Amino acid sequence: DIQLTQSPSSLSASVGDRVTITCRASQSISGYLNWYQQTPGKAPKLLIYAASTLPSGVPSRFSGSGSGTDFTLTITSLQPEDFATYYCQQSYSTPFPFGPGTKVDIK
Amino acid sequence: EVRLVESGGGLVQPGRSLRLSCAASGFTFDDYAMHWVRQAPGKGLEWVSGISWNSGSVGYADSVKGRFTISRDNAKNSLYLQMNSLSAEDTAFYFCAKDSFPIFFGHGAFDIWGQGTMVSVSS
Repeated sequence: DIQLTQSPSSLSASVGDRVTITCRASQSISGYLNWYQQTPGKAPKLLIYAASTLPSGVPSRFSGSGSGTDFTLTITSLQPEDFATYYCQQSYSTPFPFGPGTKVDIK
Repeated sequence: EVRLVESGGGLVQPGRSLRLSCAASGFTFDDYAMHWVRQAPGKGLEWVSGISWNSGSVGYADSVKGRFTISRDNAKNSLYLQMNSLSAEDTAFYFCAKDSFPIFFGHGAFDIWGQGTMVSVSS
């Protein structure tokens, strides 16, 4: 099975900061990598699919890149509502594991 | 409004069974694959099971294979998860999620999520 790792596991940042989170797959997953955002007590929300595509309604400060085994989620100017946990997930093959998550909190 | 609403969670003793339901509205249910994802308290997300639009293909995580059964009733816009032989390790919030593709292994993303239902397994 394909395994996903994320780094860092947590980070502290300030409003306006640029934040980068990485996700690495144990084998190539082409571009089949999705990102989700989850705030406490809420369901996850799809943030980016197919490595770099933003669903309708997701702010343009979010962007994704990568292919193969290495992927990146970038938030260009962190907003108060962005403090959350971010998960990557591969949709290349079953099972569809999620990464362990990256918690972004306020510095 | 596109919506998924889970139900059926609760407290159950180890070894017993429980059936979760997910009611869909606001989209053409039988056009899309569906999934169950769980999250143990304070932990990360774990994909549990997926089913294609016509129930023709299903898949399970190794942790639930042989114990859980996913199904759907397109006439009722509903998704189900039959959970047997429950153990403490199954304690979690269970979310249903809509796939962006008709088949569950179609490289899609989980674009709509319900709010989840809590399953607690304890004696």
